[in-house]
Amino acid sequence: AQSVTQLDSQVPVFEEAPVELRCNYSSSVSVYLFWYVQYPNQGLQLLLKYLSGSTLVESINGFEAEFNKSQTSFHLRKPSVHISDTAEYFCAVLKTSYDKVIFGPGTSLSVIP
Amino acid sequence: DVKVTQSSRYLVKRTGEKVFLECVQDMDHENMFWYRQDPGLGLRLIYFSYDVKMKEKGDIPEGYSVSREKKERFSLILESASTNQTSMYLCASSPHETGISGANVLTFGAGSRLTVL
Repeated sequence: AQSVTQLDSQVPVFEEAPVELRCNYSSSVSVYLFWYVQYPNQGLQLLLKYLSGSTLVESINGFEAEFNKSQTSFHLRKPSVHISDTAEYFCAVLKTSYDKVIFGPGTSLSVIP
Repeated sequence: DVKVTQSSRYLVKRTGEKVFLECVQDMDHENMFWYRQDPGLGLRLIYFSYDVKMKEKGDIPEGYSVSREKKERFSLILESASTNQTSMYLCASSPHETGISGANVLTFGAGSRLTVL
């Protein structure tokens, strides 16, 4: 069965420091990969996605993620975080031949002033 | 600019009550989903639907049912609510794009937080 692992349930980081949120998945077939973000008291929204092509994908607010097929990872990074980045971050996987998205357990990012 | 609307943000019900959670989307999406979100467990799929009057069980369907009479509306029903169904419920929709262009990006509602006493 396909699964998604997010190794850190909580990540505290000081404002303007870099951050990496880790995501690993298990799959024997090609997949699409996503990061969703959930701000307090809101639903999830798409942050970025990897479908094909360049293994490095970027979001409009400075986050980036790199698809590493050999390590089956899709870690999320930002070189300098802001208070407004405080949120829950979910890694997700979609098999190319199915329509069901599998989510990881989430990582709570807390940015400390 | 609200695209997926969940009718109730907060509900408090008693054990044994029947509970309806409503979800409406205005993007003409074919696919609709119900997830529950619990701390440390992420999102778990309860039911999903690829078309009107069609439904498929997700990973945790026990204790739930769904209804999709119209394309834009997908309802989650708890026939007899129990305390272990206290959770955040998230509705989502996506276009039925099997190709790479759509890749089924999900659009979520704001969530319905249900407390069963």
